[in-house]
Amino acid sequence: DAKTTQPNSMESNEEEPVHLPCNHSTISGTDYIHWYRQLPSQGPEYVIHGLTSNVNNRMASLAIAEDRKSSTLILHRATLRDAAVYYCILRDALSGNTPLVFGKGTRLSVIA
Amino acid sequence: GAVVSQHPSWVICKSGTSVKIECRSLDFQATTMFWYRQFPKQSLMLMATSNEGSKATYEQGVEKDKFLINHASLTLSTLTVTSAHPEDSSFYICSARWGMMTTNEKLFFGSGTQLSVL
Repeated sequence: DAKTTQPNSMESNEEEPVHLPCNHSTISGTDYIHWYRQLPSQGPEYVIHGLTSNVNNRMASLAIAEDRKSSTLILHRATLRDAAVYYCILRDALSGNTPLVFGKGTRLSVIA
Repeated sequence: GAVVSQHPSWVICKSGTSVKIECRSLDFQATTMFWYRQFPKQSLMLMATSNEGSKATYEQGVEKDKFLINHASLTLSTLTVTSAHPEDSSFYICSARWGMMTTNEKLFFGSGTQLSVL
């Protein structure tokens, strides 16, 4: 899977929007952009994924740059429960039944 | 939604003993499950890929005789840490893939098992 680059940590105030960036300059045309997050002492959980168009779900929004070399996970209104490590991962559509490979992710702190 | 159940959540054992961790996909069948290990403040490291009805595939540096993986059914994979030592103390996490196409696939993760070897 192609490599991604994320800031090590970010901080947000509660009830404010959070924009988590991810750079993936070597993304290929068949790579999907996946986001997972890991709450403290828990296994990771799926957040959202997309290919080219922006995506929205109940948890977050995913904004994908036109050249697809970067993307941004948007939490519209951060809560204390959103404090977690967020992982941006590229998945090749042709990858078949392969595991996720995790980078270091971004540790999000939410301040009350 | 799909759920992966992992048991136990935590275990403390004496050095030299073996510990078994179970991972179950509760409402879907998983021909393949993945096992990860995570040390404090670090990211998840893939240990092995567990295939139903066949041998597991281990990542480089992971001892297959020490970390025994069995995937006897489409909903259950087990990881046994044999002759555990303090350096095996870690957070172990399993994962199962849901969805047949990359367009709709998601990987669901167990809640993890914190192993402490005394």
